[in-house]
Amino acid sequence: AQTVTQSQPEMSVQEAETVTLSCTYDTSESNYYLFWYKQPPSRQMILVIRQEAYKQQNATENRFSVNFQKAAKSFSLKISDSQLGDTAMYFCAFDGGATNKLIFGTGTLLAVQP
Amino acid sequence: DTGVSQNPRHKITKRGQNVTFRCDPISEHNRLYWYRQTLGQGPEFLTYFQNEAQLEKSRLLSDRFSAERPKGSFSTLEIQRTEQGDSAMYLCASSSPGPFVAQHFGDGTRLSIL
Repeated sequence: AQTVTQSQPEMSVQEAETVTLSCTYDTSESNYYLFWYKQPPSRQMILVIRQEAYKQQNATENRFSVNFQKAAKSFSLKISDSQLGDTAMYFCAFDGGATNKLIFGTGTLLAVQP
Repeated sequence: DTGVSQNPRHKITKRGQNVTFRCDPISEHNRLYWYRQTLGQGPEFLTYFQNEAQLEKSRLLSDRFSAERPKGSFSTLEIQRTEQGDSAMYLCASSSPGPFVAQHFGDGTRLSIL
């Protein structure tokens, strides 16, 4: 069975600084998809960034980028120029592709300090 | 795109009562997912529909839980004989068909069992 591990329950970063959130996963599949979702306080979960496992190039979306290490089964999220609006719970999620159900980690609560 | 809508936002009920939640997905999305999220945890997959067909159910979905998606539009999740352990946020998500597609989440229904 696939598992997703986020080892940082909470993190804090100063506004305009860079922060990296860690995620590791376990799977025996060769093709799959990885996602980072953001859940602001009392608001909807929204997609931040996604990565296809067969693509070696790391995905980038504006201030958000990932470091995808397939051999190490690692998928970290880097947030550059952190903004107050980035304060949220961040979830790493794995999609094995069959039904596209998501397997989530336990989340990292990120606080951006002014 | 009006987003995924869930009702009610919050449900308080006594143990042993039945409750029903509704999810209205994005209209062009044929895939619909239910997840359960408890405090401090990531969402856990409950069940998945493609159009009106329920194609996968998690072991978490005991026989007290039933989900339907008549005509492939909105979906309902019913919990019979509620227990304290059912207290959680119930999230609905929808997506287009195919791999590597983002799931769009609703605001969730928070269930509190007295």
